[in-house]
Amino acid sequence: GESVGLHLPTLSVQEGDNSIINCAYSNSASDYFIWYKQESGKGPQFIIDIRSNMDKRQGQRVTVLLNKTVKHLSLQIAATQPGDSAVYFCAETPFSGGYNKLIFGAGTRLAVHP
Amino acid sequence: DAGVTQSPTHLIKTRGQQVTLRCSPKSGHDTVSWYQQALGQGPQFIFQYYEEEERQRGNFPDRFSGHQFPNYSSELNVNALLLGDSALYLCASSLVVGASEAFFGQGTRLTVV
Repeated sequence: GESVGLHLPTLSVQEGDNSIINCAYSNSASDYFIWYKQESGKGPQFIIDIRSNMDKRQGQRVTVLLNKTVKHLSLQIAATQPGDSAVYFCAETPFSGGYNKLIFGAGTRLAVHP
Repeated sequence: DAGVTQSPTHLIKTRGQQVTLRCSPKSGHDTVSWYQQALGQGPQFIFQYYEEEERQRGNFPDRFSGHQFPNYSSELNVNALLLGDSALYLCASSLVVGASEAFFGQGTRLTVV
């Protein structure tokens, strides 16, 4: 299928290393932030989320950090695997509930090399 | 449990034609949102439906319209297609209350020639 991120910035890492993907968001009123993973030919897949009253949240091999002072979000992936290769998008939304829309960032391509 | 399903997966249309894309939300979800994703870019919000009404709309012209049915499934209609409408169209479903995680379908790749 066609590539999702032909012109996106690329982060290249070695298998087993830790990856850090960064994102700057635009709306200081955003209440809820999400990281999505998108593989070629597929729709975005939810990875992890965080609310604005938190600064860190951990999942399985992933950690999201939120710095509201500088409107910065990061996704840390531990022990990166070839299956992590994809395009990663951060998204923000004003409300943690319904009647919201997701505002996506530009995306970063993660390339994992053996 | 089926996730979000979209049809068709690929579609080729001619400029000026009209197209209808379809989406079935994840079981138990009542809210459907549509996004347009141009090649190499993040998805852009088109609109959102809940209780068969359009609740929010992004910056898209009136050529883009939608509908939600009583069973929560949804359609996206685009009239007078332009070359620039070529994109991946994504449907996402969620619950209006409670958990706000949105689940995406695999998308419909629309090519306008």
